Amino acid sequence: QVQVVESGGGVVQPGRSLRLSCAASGFTFSHYGMHWVRQAPGKGLEWVAFIEFDGGNKYYVESVKGRFTISRDNSKNTLYLQMNSLRGEDTAVYYCARDQLDYWGQGTLVTVSS
Amino acid sequence: SYELTQPSSVSVSPGQTARITCSGDVLAVKSARWFQQKPGQAPVLMIYKDNERPSGIPDRFSGSSSGTTVTLTISGAQVEDEADFYCYSATDNNRGVFGGGTKLTVL
Repeated sequence: QVQVVESGGGVVQPGRSLRLSCAASGFTFSHYGMHWVRQAPGKGLEWVAFIEFDGGNKYYVESVKGRFTISRDNSKNTLYLQMNSLRGEDTAVYYCARDQLDYWGQGTLVTVSS
Repeated sequence: SYELTQPSSVSVSPGQTARITCSGDVLAVKSARWFQQKPGQAPVLMIYKDNERPSGIPDRFSGSSSGTTVTLTISGAQVEDEADFYCYSATDNNRGVFGGGTKLTVL
């Protein structure tokens, strides 16, 4: 069955970096674009980034442009989100999801705090 | 900027019909999806392409579209339908945008 599992969350100080991973299984990963979506505590969903199936094009929400980088390794069926210069407002549960947003992981919590 | 506007809350009694709207200029040219999210859980896709239902989603959930507004209708809402609902659309610059979410109360 289709499954995506996020990992890599944790507590990090403002200004530091963190890399999230999303391991995919149950489908041909290299055929699908992938999203990152986040949800701050008690808040709504926010779309963060999208990468096309082959990594050729990448798109970001304005608030993370220049700080976050979405990437993928199709040989490892894994999606990544490199987060640099983290801020308090980046504190959230980060979800990965397949391109039609039909399959989501359970999320990984990132807390940015000193 | 791209924005989708939803009511913050909707309340119905069990068995009644609940309607949740989502408005935004982008909906005139792009289709919408609807997600249900229960506390502590990941979102679940309920409707795509404005009115299509994924397999496994009860047929009491339906979607419609008119101009710049899409509507999620829950016919005969049940207590277990109580959740947060979010609309979503891709934008014409290849990004995505979610509505602010609607808390549905069924009691």
